[in-house]
Amino acid sequence: DVVLTQTPPTLSATIGQSVSISCRSSQSLLHSNGNTYLNWLLQRPGQPPQLLIYLVSRLESGVPNRFSGSGSGTDFTLKISGVEAEDLGVYYCVQSTHAPFTFGSGTKLEIK
Amino acid sequence: QVQLKESGPGLVQPSQTLSLTCTVSGFSLMDYSVHWVRQPPGKGLEWMGRMKYDGDTYYNSALKSRLSISRDTSKSQVFLKMNSLQTEDTAIYYCTRTGSFDYWGQGVMVTVSS
Repeated sequence: DVVLTQTPPTLSATIGQSVSISCRSSQSLLHSNGNTYLNWLLQRPGQPPQLLIYLVSRLESGVPNRFSGSGSGTDFTLKISGVEAEDLGVYYCVQSTHAPFTFGSGTKLEIK
Repeated sequence: QVQLKESGPGLVQPSQTLSLTCTVSGFSLMDYSVHWVRQPPGKGLEWMGRMKYDGDTYYNSALKSRLSISRDTSKSQVFLKMNSLQTEDTAIYYCTRTGSFDYWGQGVMVTVSS
């Protein structure tokens, strides 16, 4: 099974600060069809997860453009350019290139 | 609009079988896959398995021997059955759409306890 390693496990940021979260895969997430099925989710306290980024860098409809995704192969990054109070929660990367699909262990973002 | 809603018992006794239903609206089960994901209290997300749009299923290897996912397309429902439940199966169980996980239900809390 593919293992996704997320770092850091926790992140503390002030409002307006830019932060990055890393997600590294134990094997390439490039599918034979040319797509890379690496997504980013945010789970706010007491809520189900919500999709932020799909296919590495595509912003889900309605998601603020301060969120961006990048990477290829085995190394991926989620960047928040100017953290806002509503961004607190746990961020997960998830891959759906190789079944069984797998989630990263999560990064908890706290607001200072 | 797209909606998913999980339903099922909140309490299950150890060694018993869990049965959950995911009722969807706003899309067809013959066009989109539905996945089950669970989250133990205070922990991360675990992918359990999926019902693909063509009726194919795939399961988490760690749960495969206990887990079954089926569907009734006429009722827009996907079913999860998992047997031999133990306390470590206590979790919030979510259904979610596609491999992009673009829409989620609110989840149902299942406690395994005698």
